[in-house]
Amino acid sequence: GESVGLHLPTLSVQEGDNSIINCAYSNSASDYFIWYKQESGKGPQFIIDIRSNMDKRQGQRVTVLLNKTVKHLSLQIAATQPGDSAVYFCAENIRGDKIIFGKGTRLHILP
Amino acid sequence: NAGVMQNPRHLVRRRGQEARLRCSPMKGHSHVYWYRQLPEEGLKFMVYLQKENIIDESGMPKERFSAEFPKEGPSILRIQQVVRGDSAAYFCANSQDRGYRVDGYTFGSGTRLTVV
Repeated sequence: GESVGLHLPTLSVQEGDNSIINCAYSNSASDYFIWYKQESGKGPQFIIDIRSNMDKRQGQRVTVLLNKTVKHLSLQIAATQPGDSAVYFCAENIRGDKIIFGKGTRLHILP
Repeated sequence: NAGVMQNPRHLVRRRGQEARLRCSPMKGHSHVYWYRQLPEEGLKFMVYLQKENIIDESGMPKERFSAEFPKEGPSILRIQQVVRGDSAAYFCANSQDRGYRVDGYTFGSGTRLTVV
């Protein structure tokens, strides 16, 4: 079965505020996690990744946090913009060969 | 580089017909992965191929589904005798090599299959 899942199916955030999307995983042997963004009618787009030997990784306006103790990771988007509207998936990479996706969180940006 | 090309973008088939989905990877990318996405769901891994070889087909249904990646030409996902439950978006991804290079693991825009 799946080893990653999302806490909330939908998240509404005011434009300009920060967004936090959460994800739990169950496989303690998981060692590589990825966040994807999927816009309507498109394929998933890589946002940021993190290895299990790290707690935090930052990109442009995005930060991923990994808490191995509680098997939880989160994606933080700073100063959320209308273009951030999408479904966000956390995913786990298995041996570099395939990716296991969670169900996704739909992010709505409120004007 | 046009990215991962999938066609057709939309495909409608009647129950019992065959569906053929094509994926042309980026130049120099010999590793291809197929995923299926049901509405409001995440993507489910189906099969991983490298030129002329199936590396991992653990996500493929045992019947009616097959995949190939010939030496020349695109990768093909073939669904025989389609049923309504096969209606989904099918995505192809590619990478240059095997291993933890997820930032190089690029997805196409998908084929949306509708079975009527």
